[in-house]
Amino acid sequence: GQQLNQSPQSMFIQEGEDVSMNCTSSSIFNTWLWYKQDPGEGPVLLIALYKAGELTSNGRLTAQFGITRKDSFLNISASIPSDVGIYFCAGFPMNYGGSQGNLIFGKGTKLSVKP
Amino acid sequence: SAVISQKPSRDICQRGTSLTIQCQVDSQVTMMFWYRQQPGQSLTLIATANQGSEATYESGFVIDKFPISRPNLTFSTLTVSNMSPEDSSIYLCSVRTGLRTEAFFGQGTRLTVV
Repeated sequence: GQQLNQSPQSMFIQEGEDVSMNCTSSSIFNTWLWYKQDPGEGPVLLIALYKAGELTSNGRLTAQFGITRKDSFLNISASIPSDVGIYFCAGFPMNYGGSQGNLIFGKGTKLSVKP
Repeated sequence: SAVISQKPSRDICQRGTSLTIQCQVDSQVTMMFWYRQQPGQSLTLIATANQGSEATYESGFVIDKFPISRPNLTFSTLTVSNMSPEDSSIYLCSVRTGLRTEAFFGQGTRLTVV
């Protein structure tokens, strides 16, 4: 079935640094979603992308829908301590044969503060 | 976006017992889903909760283990039956307004089975 390869798996940030993570797939996706999950909470939607090449910002966050429709990236500029958490990419593959348009999730990128 | 409330937020249960998780949405939604998130893992879809009919289960999940109800467009329950320690996970309710639109999540129910 379709899989999303999300990288990096984890990273340490220092306040003020820019952060970048991405998701890739061998399949074509027609929607990309980026979520953040804090401990003890459900995922919160950060950015939704619907068109190839689309570049969308939400405050210090910027995400792009790759032109090949097989990838997406999320950038966080000038990181702050509250950016720590787990970031998930998710998407709807173009030709998914499963039920109800299953939303496929990446394995997550864990952002932690540098000791 | 819809406001999604899940109850309980966490529970510790004895093996062999069952727990019913409730999901209440503040507005009518077309699609409701239940996900499982095992410790340190990503989200896995359990089933689609269909209003007025049997839920649609994903491969690896069965109705006897995870019975689901959805009596109306704002409410659903997921029961985790005959629990074992392997069922210890976060269970998440999710809603979408359309087939390929953004999904919103409740805060989750953290279940520990001892």
